[in-house]
Amino acid sequence: AQSVTQPDIHITVSEGASLELRCNYSYGATPYLFWYVQSPGQGLQLLLKYFSGDTLVQGIKGFEAEFKRSQSSFNLRKPSVHWSDAAEYFCAVGANSGGYQKVTFGTGTKLQVIP
Amino acid sequence: GAGVSQTPSNKVTEKGKYVELRCDPISGHTALYWYRQSLGQGPEFLIYFQGTGAADDSGLPNDRFFAVRPEGSVSTLKIQRTERGDSAVYLCASSPLGENEQFFGPGTRLTVL
Repeated sequence: AQSVTQPDIHITVSEGASLELRCNYSYGATPYLFWYVQSPGQGLQLLLKYFSGDTLVQGIKGFEAEFKRSQSSFNLRKPSVHWSDAAEYFCAVGANSGGYQKVTFGTGTKLQVIP
Repeated sequence: GAGVSQTPSNKVTEKGKYVELRCDPISGHTALYWYRQSLGQGPEFLIYFQGTGAADDSGLPNDRFFAVRPEGSVSTLKIQRTERGDSAVYLCASSPLGENEQFFGPGTRLTVL
């Protein structure tokens, strides 16, 4: 069974600073990897996804993530954080199971942005 | 176009009562998923529908939980004899056939007193 670890429960960064959110996964085959963002009272919004190909993937809102198979990691990065990025971020791993994606989420990292 | 919608947005009920939570997927999406998100946790898979049938209900915690999708569109998650531990946000997601990305609704916050 697949699993996801997000080691940082809470991160605080200053506006304009760079950001890296960590994600480690466990899965026996090539995983499908996702990063979602959840603002208070909102549903989950997909930031980016990795299925195959280039290991550096670009997403919406200036985010990117890099798939590193040797480290079983899929860390999310942004070069300059904006106050509107304050939200909770979830890493997820998907596995094809009978023709659909069974997705397992991490416990999330809550991002606080200070002026 | 319209996204996934869920009703009600909030539901407060008493222990032992029956509740129904509704999900309207994006039009044309054949796959529908239900997740439960407890406080401080990520979403946990409950059940997956492909069309009208529940292809995988392995995430349902016990037989008090049941979900239907009779016409392959709208789905209802039903919880009998609610317990305080059922309090959570229930999320619905849909995706087109063959697609890996799931589109999430805003969720229903269920509070069992």
